[in-house]
Amino acid sequence: DTGVSQDPRHKITKRGQNVTFRCDPISEHNRLYWYRQTLGQGPEFLTYFQNEAQLEKSRLLSDRFSAERPKGSFSTLEIQRTEQGDSAMYLCASSPRQVVSEVDEEQFFGPGTRLTVL
Amino acid sequence: AQKITQTQPGMFVQEKEAVTLDCTYDTSDPSYGLFWYKQPSSGEMIFLIYQGSYDQQNATEGRYSLNFQKARKSANLVISASQLGDSAMYFCAMREGMDSSYKLIFGSGTRLLVRP
Repeated sequence: DTGVSQDPRHKITKRGQNVTFRCDPISEHNRLYWYRQTLGQGPEFLTYFQNEAQLEKSRLLSDRFSAERPKGSFSTLEIQRTEQGDSAMYLCASSPRQVVSEVDEEQFFGPGTRLTVL
Repeated sequence: AQKITQTQPGMFVQEKEAVTLDCTYDTSDPSYGLFWYKQPSSGEMIFLIYQGSYDQQNATEGRYSLNFQKARKSANLVISASQLGDSAMYFCAMREGMDSSYKLIFGSGTRLLVRP
């Protein structure tokens, strides 16, 4: 049973370029989350998928950000026209859907993609 | 208003001693869950322990225990018999039952350094 994987682990890009990150959740986990973590801070929620449906987006997710989860398996997060303020660790997490009690379901995190915008 | 507050940016503890990391939270939701995660320098978030709002007893997981004081809205993490490998960032997080996305809300973290 493999965990959540993310690719690439590190990305250095120049301002104005587009970047795309990939997340492969744990098999059969139908919930998938993207978080952003800047230096010295805790992760902040960006967006949430249940299966292939994107059900919630944070106000942090500007128009330059887009996320997809085709077929409800892997997910991609694209940032267009990157800015230096986009430099951060982008974390993906997945969780199964529990019927009885959803408030206590654990989220399993991937290793993150560290983005540096020059 | 901050939903999760961790007031200790950094903590030191001597190896083999116990340490308490503070966390206070703010919610009006009667159903919520509180989590602690460890983040080593490699970056991955490692789940440590969970406490539900309706749980009567404090959660324990090996050397980790959660001191849950509901009236004071605090959920402090206690690490007993600290080990060098415990040096890392520690994050307290909350999930609210009325939040249909069940996203986690994190505090700003505490950096723990275990001294040999």
